[in-house]
Amino acid sequence: DAGVTQSPTHLIKTRGQQVTLRCSPKSGHDTVSWYQQALGQGPQFIFQYYEEEERQRGNFPDRFSGHQFPNYSSELNVNALLLGDSALYLCASSLGTGGYGYTFGSGTRLTVV
Amino acid sequence: GENVEQHPSTLSVQEGDSAVIKCTYSDSASNYFPWYKQELGKGPQLIIDIRSNVGEKKDQRIAVTLNKTAKHFSLHITETQPEDSAVYFCATDSWGKLQFGAGTQVVVTP
Repeated sequence: DAGVTQSPTHLIKTRGQQVTLRCSPKSGHDTVSWYQQALGQGPQFIFQYYEEEERQRGNFPDRFSGHQFPNYSSELNVNALLLGDSALYLCASSLGTGGYGYTFGSGTRLTVV
Repeated sequence: GENVEQHPSTLSVQEGDSAVIKCTYSDSASNYFPWYKQELGKGPQLIIDIRSNVGEKKDQRIAVTLNKTAKHFSLHITETQPEDSAVYFCATDSWGKLQFGAGTQVVVTP
């Protein structure tokens, strides 16, 4: 089953460092969205990539940036890490930019110390 | 603005009983209302969804109802089983951006 694959599964970083998280979408999907899920909360939308461009962005600072590659895979970069960036980062893929038919990956657990 | 409120935050039910989770939203432009189940260590999994032109949808033991006028929608799980234990999230979609509720921890006791 070619579902959404995220790497790494867990990561520990120090305050001020930079991190890159990776996502391979489900086979047949062309859109990738990233979400941040703090402990005990619902996922919060970070941004969405389609045709290698950022199409929508949530209320996240410029320290959060991303990229989508021609094969539809995507990266999430976070600079100048803060303790508050500790969370589960989820990647969701879909066909097209509507919210329908999202498939989520299992996420990357980022801990900032 | 966009806001999705979800209640209750925790729900404990006896196996075989029904569970109901309710959500309200504020964005009138929302036209798609999915429900996700998240098990420990996993990402959210879509379990049922409903679009704004439909008032109710059912899939085996799971049903969702939508009242667009009142801006609320609900998830109903009948004949609950231990494997239904998980965190459930409601969400609304506005132009491809999902807005999630805070989640409901459902515990089904045998």
